[in-house]
Amino acid sequence: EAAVTQSPRNKVAVTGGKVTLSCNQTNNHNNMYWYRQDTGHGLRLIHYSYGAGSTEKGDIPDGYKASRPSQENFSLILELATPSQTSVYFCASGEGLGGFQDTQYFGPGTRLLVL
Amino acid sequence: QQQVRQSPQSLTVWEGETAILNCSYEDSTFDYFPWYWQFPRESPALLIAIRPVSNKKEDGRFTIFFNKREKKLSLHITDSQPGDSATYFCAANTGGLSGKLTFGEGTQVTVIS
Repeated sequence: EAAVTQSPRNKVAVTGGKVTLSCNQTNNHNNMYWYRQDTGHGLRLIHYSYGAGSTEKGDIPDGYKASRPSQENFSLILELATPSQTSVYFCASGEGLGGFQDTQYFGPGTRLLVL
Repeated sequence: QQQVRQSPQSLTVWEGETAILNCSYEDSTFDYFPWYWQFPRESPALLIAIRPVSNKKEDGRFTIFFNKREKKLSLHITDSQPGDSATYFCAANTGGLSGKLTFGEGTQVTVIS
């Protein structure tokens, strides 16, 4: 069974503050992803990674940074949080073998409220 | 620009009926179309997927119909059950090493008994 965990599960931050969302996977998957989910927009890709040391911009990277220090860990960093970044954030992992059966396994999500 | 579109936004069906969820896409390089479902307060999970080499993929009560010429696909849920109540996301990717998915906005399905 795929195992992706996220911390914290809930976070309240102040505008202008720094927020770090953490993700850990025990699947030994190459790829990891950060999405945000907002009503009416589905899931939108923020950043992704091919492996340790790699980070790539997704479709909506502005205002976010990412860090992949190891195969298991992938962090999303909001240097200067804004109320528009209030959302539910999902981390996911995938094998990244290039095959069409490359299922993504999602973590439980982090609810972020920026006041 | 939304590259994957879904309709309707929400759908209510009676138990036993067939629910039909629609999806369309713009990028002709998309080559893999998974559907994910998400129950309230849970995370998305893969339900069923199709490649354009096929025009139909069936898994129990869930069937994807694919029309490559029109860039459209649909998910049919036959004999709908209350436990099928969830939000369904159509997604697409090009099959590359990144495994990047582009998701639609989702269709919220409610099955009433």
